[in-house]
Amino acid sequence: QVQLVQSGAEVKKPGASVTVSCKASGYDFTLYALHWVRQAPGQGLEWVGWISAGSGSAKYSQRIQDRVKITRDISATTTYMELTNLRSEDTAVYYCARESVAAAATCDLWGQGTRVSVS
Amino acid sequence: QSVLTQPPSVSAAPRQTVTLSCSGSSSNVGSNGVNWYQQVPGEAPKLLIYYDDLRPSGVSDRFSGSKSGTSASLAISGLQSEDEADYYCAAWDDSLNGQVFGGGTKLSVL
Repeated sequence: QVQLVQSGAEVKKPGASVTVSCKASGYDFTLYALHWVRQAPGQGLEWVGWISAGSGSAKYSQRIQDRVKITRDISATTTYMELTNLRSEDTAVYYCARESVAAAATCDLWGQGTRVSVS
Repeated sequence: QSVLTQPPSVSAAPRQTVTLSCSGSSSNVGSNGVNWYQQVPGEAPKLLIYYDDLRPSGVSDRFSGSKSGTSASLAISGLQSEDEADYYCAAWDDSLNGQVFGGGTKLSVL
């Protein structure tokens, strides 16, 4: 079954770091890129960053590029998003989403979301 | 403040057709494909339209997309109660070098 399964909810204190994982299954992991998108409570979607699962190269939102790092483990078919120096405004549901091979910057498969609370 | 502009809410009666708008600029909507996502509260977004007007397999043909210049639209025909959701437009932004979203439109089916 083609799916993305994310790690569980996290509660962190301001200044701490959090790592959210996203395990892919059912497709060739290295052929796709993976995006991370977050959604604060009651708010819209915000792009966090992107990684090429094949090359490992990543790109980040200018807004948080100094605090976020996205990596991947090919053997585990898992992508990781680390956010450091957490602030209350980082409280959000974090989604990983696969980029379509047919359409750049198009997310055709989404994880279930991981709630990160900073308090 | 979202880079792409969408009306916060739209409402329409069942079986009607509604059009959702998305306004951007030359660095995003004007130069790259626009995607539309549907999000039911409590669930992950779902891709509805990509590259302005293409439908992924399995998406109803009641959903259609279009674009003109720096504005894009999503039309939903034959509205059903199950269409009640938040709808987001998105595009790559060449200036920001990242993906940008609209603030979302909440669709209510009266």
